[in-house]
Amino acid sequence: GAGVSQSPSNKVTEKGKDVELRCDPISGHTALYWYRQRLGQGLEFLIYFQGNSAPDKSGLPSDRFSAERTGESVSTLTIQRTQQEDSAVYLCASSLVWTPLNEQFFGPGTRLTVL
Amino acid sequence: QQQVKQSPQSLIVQKGGISIINCAYENTAFDYFPWYQQFPGKGPALLIAIRPDVSEKKEGRFTISFNKSAKQFSLHIMDSQPGDSATYFCAASGAYGNKLVFGAGTILRVKS
Repeated sequence: GAGVSQSPSNKVTEKGKDVELRCDPISGHTALYWYRQRLGQGLEFLIYFQGNSAPDKSGLPSDRFSAERTGESVSTLTIQRTQQEDSAVYLCASSLVWTPLNEQFFGPGTRLTVL
Repeated sequence: QQQVKQSPQSLIVQKGGISIINCAYENTAFDYFPWYQQFPGKGPALLIAIRPDVSEKKEGRFTISFNKSAKQFSLHIMDSQPGDSATYFCAASGAYGNKLVFGAGTILRVKS
């Protein structure tokens, strides 16, 4: 079946603009995660959704970042008033259930460049 | 305490050689340690994972060695091939739900 998809694949924006990044998880996966990957660095956890539970937002770096998920499907990560330090690849992952032993399947990412 | 430290940053190995990447962690509540492989332009993909109740896990040419007392784990790639050239990330989870804490990554290049 289809894997995790993300759109757009690349986004160039001007400082101060808002951006929305989209993630379509694998069908049936109840857990969805967003990570940020800065150039040459590891992945940094941002937020995760598990079913209808309240999302774990503990990784969001500032209140300019927010995310929503509709049921167990699409998720949108929104960055308001973008800054140059927001430039990174934003990766989405999903897993069947939320427990640690369940493999997280990653999408190809959205490369965000803030000019 | 949430950090996972990974070394080396980059590694060059001859075809057929052994690639070794090391990771160390502080948080003793971590109980799941996966390794991810990432090719340019792609998202990371799970390669192999281990839990602390075993000291070693082998899948094909890939082996994880785990030292619970030292809080260290490593990935060994036997008979390294040019197709193994990629970035490898160690990670850990368990203390904070399902979110993974990643190492900084190792860029592996296997020379043919």
